[in-house]
Amino acid sequence: GQNIDQPTEMTATEGAIVQINCTYQTSGFNGLFWYQQHAGEAPTFLSYNVLDGLEEKGRFSSFLSRSKGYSYLLLKELQMKDSASYLCAVKDSNYQLIWGAGTKLIIKP
Amino acid sequence: DGGITQSPKYLFRKEGQNVTLSCEQNLNHDAMYWYRQDPGQGLRLIYYSQIVNDFQKGDIAEGYSVSREKKESFPLTVTSAQKNPTAFYLCASSTLADTDTQYFGPGTRLTVL
Repeated sequence: GQNIDQPTEMTATEGAIVQINCTYQTSGFNGLFWYQQHAGEAPTFLSYNVLDGLEEKGRFSSFLSRSKGYSYLLLKELQMKDSASYLCAVKDSNYQLIWGAGTKLIIKP
Repeated sequence: DGGITQSPKYLFRKEGQNVTLSCEQNLNHDAMYWYRQDPGQGLRLIYYSQIVNDFQKGDIAEGYSVSREKKESFPLTVTSAQKNPTAFYLCASSTLADTDTQYFGPGTRLTVL
């Protein structure tokens, strides 16, 4: 079966750095996505990785290792507004998106 | 402003009633999607459409129906056959050239009493 695993919840302190991991087992791979979703709102696109390595975009970076079926989202200089759920999704060999359950990130002052 | 709208934000229905959730986009996107989101689970695809008057079942289409009479609109009907309809429903759209980047509407939270 196809599976995306993420921690259910994480807590971090304002101004710090946090790494949210995602591991996947899917039938084929055509890219990995990270989305941010505030409670009761729509997911918004953060990043896309299809090749191994690190993609940096401001305070957010995303890393991919296809051989390990592993990705992480790195958030730096955390702000209170970063409190949200972070969703990992993989596009499989049929170009269908398989979604993880999301990681709820709680930022404390 | 271009975007996707879903209405209403919150919807309550009695068990056994059909209910239709609206989704409208003015992004000129060809592809539209309906997802269901439940606590502790990833988004699950219900239906998607890549062209007017055509749509495909997703992973959990049973108990749902859709129509695509206009490019801008992709309403979802939750029928009485859907066993557990209470959920957060998200509509999304994308271009056909870039289905990787999906733009989501604000969602409708449906509660069946």
